[in-house]
Amino acid sequence: QQQVRQSSQSLTVWEGETAILNCSYENSAFDYFPWYQQFPGEGPALLIAIRSVSDKKEDGRFTIFFNKREKNLSLHIKDSQPGDSATYFCAATGNYKYVFGAGTRLKVIA
Amino acid sequence: GGIITQTPKFLIGQEGQKLTLKCQQNFNHDTMYWYRQDSGKGLRLIYYSITENDLQKGDLSEGYDASREKKSSFSLTVTSAQKNEMAVFLCASSLDRGPSQNTLYFGAGTRLSVL
Repeated sequence: QQQVRQSSQSLTVWEGETAILNCSYENSAFDYFPWYQQFPGEGPALLIAIRSVSDKKEDGRFTIFFNKREKNLSLHIKDSQPGDSATYFCAATGNYKYVFGAGTRLKVIA
Repeated sequence: GGIITQTPKFLIGQEGQKLTLKCQQNFNHDTMYWYRQDSGKGLRLIYYSITENDLQKGDLSEGYDASREKKSSFSLTVTSAQKNEMAVFLCASSLDRGPSQNTLYFGAGTRLSVL
């Protein structure tokens, strides 16, 4: 069973647009939701994270919107740049589990 | 800062072969992890270890063994490589004992191909 689901395997946007990556989860015990960014040939690295007590977390051009009732969240990348082209993994942790989604490959076209 | 070093970067094996992947971290983190990354399937946990000589099975442990002889190192053994298998194996570490609200720090991965 897929406990963390990312709705798009890939997403293409133009430079300057806002990229929106969606994620949903099943387990109510999850209480921390990090997003990891992975460039080709590298390991994933933490980009931004939110705790379930919050509904929004912002860090520069990156914002997480979190809906606990609906069990979904989204990562918004404002003013997308070609350098943002990478694979983004939504993850969820809680109750001694740390589960990753399948990833969304983002391509930003100049 | 610290770093996670995985060796080798590329590993080519034969069907049925036993293959060992190594990972070293200098963060002084308690917990280390092995994940398998397949295209379109995300990261799946194979084993993790919360301290030296501890081993905990993940969702994908069948066909693998792991060993944590020192706090700084964690190795993974593919007990019998499967023909045409291709995957990236990622090692990670985190500060606290066990999965929790922690950042995982990943190595660059070992890319396995089985002929």
